[in-house]
Amino acid sequence: GENVEQHPSTLSVQEGDSAVIKCTYSDSASNYFPWYKQELGKRPQLIIDIRSNVGEKKDQRIAVTLNKTAKHFSLHITETQPEDSAVYFCAASTDAGKSTFGDGTTLTVKP
Amino acid sequence: GAVVSQHPSWVICKSGTSVKIECRSLDFQATTMFWYRQFPKQSLMLMATSNEGSKATYEQGVEKDKFLINHASLTLSTLTVTSAHPEDSSFYICSARTGFLGYGYTFGSGTRLTVV
Repeated sequence: GENVEQHPSTLSVQEGDSAVIKCTYSDSASNYFPWYKQELGKRPQLIIDIRSNVGEKKDQRIAVTLNKTAKHFSLHITETQPEDSAVYFCAASTDAGKSTFGDGTTLTVKP
Repeated sequence: GAVVSQHPSWVICKSGTSVKIECRSLDFQATTMFWYRQFPKQSLMLMATSNEGSKATYEQGVEKDKFLINHASLTLSTLTVTSAHPEDSSFYICSARTGFLGYGYTFGSGTRLTVV
């Protein structure tokens, strides 16, 4: 089955700096890669996603890149703010719809 | 659009009792729903996939007789934790596929289960 590895597990940055979280996946059939932000005790919220026919996608301060050959994708957050502090999960999905999640990255943005 | 309503948001029950968690798609038809469990400070782990009108598919290691899933309609899927034990205490969350090709998922708000 699919295996998704996410790094780093914790990340601390200064407000205004950039944050990068990386994920690798194993199943070449995976073709949809969402990123979720989860605040303590709340549901995961989709923040950005990318499909396998696209190499990069950007939405304001958030961007995601995908390298299908290397089977890795990354989340980039620029100009970080304290409210960006949360746990971020990557996931890899196939057409069957089942998602495999990474272990999460706890991002702390220091004011 | 694409809202999944999950109830209850939290529940405390005694060991040995059963608890039912409901997930409803409010403005779309969810032919497939996924049930996840998340232990503290851990990732979401898929428990089972439920398809409307058919038996759920359980992931390896998940007891199907303990976690009963029913997907009787296109808008409702339920997870029943039977004979609950303290080790079943966790955050349970459902997710429904919203896109035609399987792209796009929306999560319910989650249920915090505590078994005492």
